[in-house]
Amino acid sequence: DAKTTQPNSMESNEEEPVHLPCNHSTISGTDYIHWYRQLPSQGPEYVIHGLTSNVNNRMASLAIAEDRKSSTLILHRATLRDAAVYYCILRGNSGNTPLVFGKGTRLSVIA
Amino acid sequence: GAGVSQSPSNKVTEKGKDVELRCDPISGHTALYWYRQRLGQGLEFLIYFQGNSAPDKSGLPSDRFSAERTGESVSTLTIQRTQQEDSAVYLCASSFEARTEAFFGQGTRLTVV
Repeated sequence: DAKTTQPNSMESNEEEPVHLPCNHSTISGTDYIHWYRQLPSQGPEYVIHGLTSNVNNRMASLAIAEDRKSSTLILHRATLRDAAVYYCILRGNSGNTPLVFGKGTRLSVIA
Repeated sequence: GAGVSQSPSNKVTEKGKDVELRCDPISGHTALYWYRQRLGQGLEFLIYFQGNSAPDKSGLPSDRFSAERTGESVSTLTIQRTQQEDSAVYLCASSFEARTEAFFGQGTRLTVV
């Protein structure tokens, strides 16, 4: 799977929106963009995924650049519970390759 | 329904002993993944099972590590002749299909003394 680049860490104030960037300049046409997060002392959990169009769910929104070389995970109103490491992962359409995590972005939320 | 279940939740073993870690995926999930996470580190991919395909073992760190899966059900990760550097949380995940969202278990914390 193609490589992604994320900032090591970010900080946000509680109840404000958070935009977590991810660069994936070598993305292929069939790669899906997946986001997971890992809360402290827990296993990772799925957040959202998309291919080309922007996606919304109850947890977050995913904004995908028109050229698909970058994307942004948007938490509309950060809470203390959103403090976690956020992982942006590209996954080929075939599913023949495993889900491989990079270093992710550690998000701190300040009360 | 039940989520991904891993057992034991904690395991302390002496250096040199073999250990078996178990993962019960969500029923009907064809894909199963194992990861290792050392303290304060990221998730290291170990092995991936997808349906009847040959497993992707590219992440296994040494020949002391092996894993099996019976059909689309339980998987066991075996570590032979454990070393102190094997101390970590071992996480298992499963997904309905290879491309769909993965659900993680709570992990097995392995401590080698």
